[in-house]
Amino acid sequence: AQSVTQPDIHITVSEGASLELRCNYSYGATPYLFWYVQSPGQGLQLLLKYFSGDTLVQGIKGFEAEFKRSQSSFNLRKPSVHWSDAAEYFCAVGANTGNQFYFGTGTSLTVIP
Amino acid sequence: DGGITQSPKYLFRKEGQNVTLSCEQNLNHDAMYWYRQDPGQGLRLIYYSQIVNDFQKGDIAEGYSVSREKKESFPLTVTSAQKNPTAFYLCASSMRSGGTSTDTQYFGPGTRLTVL
Repeated sequence: AQSVTQPDIHITVSEGASLELRCNYSYGATPYLFWYVQSPGQGLQLLLKYFSGDTLVQGIKGFEAEFKRSQSSFNLRKPSVHWSDAAEYFCAVGANTGNQFYFGTGTSLTVIP
Repeated sequence: DGGITQSPKYLFRKEGQNVTLSCEQNLNHDAMYWYRQDPGQGLRLIYYSQIVNDFQKGDIAEGYSVSREKKESFPLTVTSAQKNPTAFYLCASSMRSGGTSTDTQYFGPGTRLTVL
């Protein structure tokens, strides 16, 4: 069965520090992987996606993610966090039939000055 | 501006009442989706529609109903049969209807439903 695990419920980092949010997936076929960000009370905004090709994917707001098939992971990274990055982050895997998405439970990011 | 709109942003309902949440998109997307979001549980799929006049149940369809009479619109009705309807509801759409490919889902701003 398809599933996504985000092991970290909450992460706190200092402004200017680097960030890595973990995502592990379980999917039988070639995964289509996504990272979304959600500010409080808002909808989800797409940060980046991986369909095929280069395993290092660049997204908006300076984020990147690396697909590692051997580890079933798609971790999100940012070299220097800004206070405005404080939000909830969701990893998702898309099924290639029916376009159903499976979401992780999210990681809440707090940025301290 | 192209996008997905959801209304209202906040909705209050008395127990035993049905309520309908609106979702409209002008992206010319074929597929539309409804998710429920509860704290600590991520997003769970309620219903989805790949084409007009057709829709399928998601993982938590009980107590909900939908219609897809127009490509642009996918309203969700929360019925009195839904035992715990207080939640944040998100609508999404994607360009294609799936098949053997996957397409990015884009989300609306959400509706927060509170049952009093």
